[in-house]
Amino acid sequence: DGGITQSPKYLFRKEGQNVTLSCEQNLNHDAMYWYRQDPGQGLRLIYYSQIVNDFQKGDIAEGYSVSREKKESFPLTVTSAQKNPTAFYLCASSYGVGPYEQYFGPGTRLTVT
Amino acid sequence: EDKVVQSPLSLVVHEGDTVTLNCSYEVTNFRSLLWYKQEKKAPTFLFMLTSSGIEKKSGRLSSILDKKELFSILNITATQTGDSAIYLCAVEQGGSEKLVFGKGTKLTVNP
Repeated sequence: DGGITQSPKYLFRKEGQNVTLSCEQNLNHDAMYWYRQDPGQGLRLIYYSQIVNDFQKGDIAEGYSVSREKKESFPLTVTSAQKNPTAFYLCASSYGVGPYEQYFGPGTRLTVT
Repeated sequence: EDKVVQSPLSLVVHEGDTVTLNCSYEVTNFRSLLWYKQEKKAPTFLFMLTSSGIEKKSGRLSSILDKKELFSILNITATQTGDSAIYLCAVEQGGSEKLVFGKGTKLTVNP
């Protein structure tokens, strides 16, 4: 079965701790994306990567970091510098240079207290 | 600043009603407009529109794009409770493969 997996589904952390969210795809897609979704805010782009070993900041990159060492994987680290990290995080992928639709993973709900 | 505006933000209807969801945009270097349905977690793809005036249809759902007036509509006829979801509109910027999302329309269909 081809698709995008995100783990874990739910994550709880104490303030001040870094946390890494996993995103894996077996769709052979070149491009991968991380979004944050808050109630009433829609999806906002954090980081995206069009190719292995390259990534660009999205609209709200502050306090986040990513890596793209493998085509299949695009982990997101939420650092302690992110002032309001509690949110629903969605990973997506697409074939690349478009227009191509983005396919979404099931998401990770992060709660920081 | 690039923006995508959806209206209404929330809508409650009865089963069998027809609904129209709106999406207007101001995005540099427009490439395509996409509609997604989000029920609980992962948004699922509905339509991609690139040309004005060509209706895309899938069952009871249809959508059309007006590139001159910079908007799109998503129609759902004979609504069912299973249509209850958040409907997201996104516009793709050429050259960056970035999607700019609207805030979504939350549709509730009551029996």
